[in-house]
Amino acid sequence: EIVMTQSPATLSVSPGERATLSCRASQSFGTNLAWYQQKPGQAPRLLIYGASTRATGIPARFSGSGSGTEFTLTISSLQSEDFAVYYCQQYNHWPRTFGQGTKVEIK
Amino acid sequence: QVQLQESGPGLVRPSETLSLTCTISGGSIRSSYWSWIRQPAGQGLEWIGRLHASGGTNYNPSLKSRLSMSADKSKNLFSLTLTSVTAADTAVYYCARDPDNTSFDPWGQGILVTVSS
Repeated sequence: EIVMTQSPATLSVSPGERATLSCRASQSFGTNLAWYQQKPGQAPRLLIYGASTRATGIPARFSGSGSGTEFTLTISSLQSEDFAVYYCQQYNHWPRTFGQGTKVEIK
Repeated sequence: QVQLQESGPGLVRPSETLSLTCTISGGSIRSSYWSWIRQPAGQGLEWIGRLHASGGTNYNPSLKSRLSMSADKSKNLFSLTLTSVTAADTAVYYCARDPDNTSFDPWGQGILVTVSS
């Protein structure tokens, strides 16, 4: 099983600032990686797939990068609606696995 | 667009069987794989397994011995059955579309299942 490790666990950021979230895989797998946003009481929402492709309707301030074992989600200028928990997920190997999440909170 | 809705009992007794259904609207069950994912309160996400209407399945090895999934093409829905449940199976259960070799999108709103006597 591929273990996905996200850092930091919590990120405190002021509105308008840049947020950088990391996701590391225990094995290399190319770019079969997705990022999701989850707000309290809601289902996760797909943000990024293929490590860097924004899903339909996702604002350009969200960007993804990386391949192999190191991946990054960047939010260029945090808006109030972006404070949430973010999960990475690999879909290259069975079973599909998620990181433990990074909570982005208001500083 | 595709929308998913989970349904089933919110309370299951320990050692009994958990059964959930996901109804698909706005799309055909034949068009994709479909997955179940769960999330214990305050914790992360765990992929449970997936199925295709043609009968193909992939299960998480950690649950495989207790798990089965099926599809009802006439009703455009799919189901999850998890046997011999314990308190560790208490979670919000989500269904999601799982196009082959890509991410989960969209997700249902989720259903809380509590295992308790």
